[in-house]
Amino acid sequence: RKEVEQDPGPFNVPEGATVAFNCTYSNSASQSFFWYRQDCRKEPKLLMSVYSSGNEDGRFTAQLNRASQYISLLIRDSKLSDSATYLCVGLRGGGSNYKLTFGKGTLLTVNP
Amino acid sequence: DGGITQSPKYLFRKEGQNVTLSCEQNLNHDAMYWYRQDPGQGLRLIYYSQIVNDFQKGDIAEGYSVSREKKESFPLTVTSAQKNPTAFYLCASSIRMVIDGGDEKLFFGSGTQLSVL
Repeated sequence: RKEVEQDPGPFNVPEGATVAFNCTYSNSASQSFFWYRQDCRKEPKLLMSVYSSGNEDGRFTAQLNRASQYISLLIRDSKLSDSATYLCVGLRGGGSNYKLTFGKGTLLTVNP
Repeated sequence: DGGITQSPKYLFRKEGQNVTLSCEQNLNHDAMYWYRQDPGQGLRLIYYSQIVNDFQKGDIAEGYSVSREKKESFPLTVTSAQKNPTAFYLCASSIRMVIDGGDEKLFFGSGTQLSVL
């Protein structure tokens, strides 16, 4: 089982829709999680860190469920500009033994 | 403006040739990383460096080499031993390597697309 697994997608949604992505992780030692956004052939950019208490940034809400070992990202009122690949990232360890693991990404296309 | 710069944007390699990808940052970050991304795949770590004159192998280091002679620079050489080098290469940096429970943000360069002629 991959350390970080994401919904394979692709997701095609109309503008204004609400869309949710899930990501599961296999190593319970993973301590921090992030969602990155990557446009086609561009560099990934940090979208949100994910906290156990849940966190919200405008139309985006991230949740972490440690008991079930999954992370979610909810996008409300989708915009055309939200079209991108969303990468789930898990982090464990520290010092010289850190490991940052990227999921394969989920492609979202928001249609007019 | 501070940032991380990769060059070239596109690179072509002939069989048996070594090529070097440049990565420079002026963010005063200690940690730097090289990732490889294949179509439909996540990022895989090639090498990383916590500090000048030190670097560690990542998950797929075979066929690659790096150096860290200056804090600002972390060039990656794709050697002839790397039999499948075609990929999108991303350099990244962070303030430091992760401290337990830390929340490190990676800053990425714009990437280099390497193709084989």
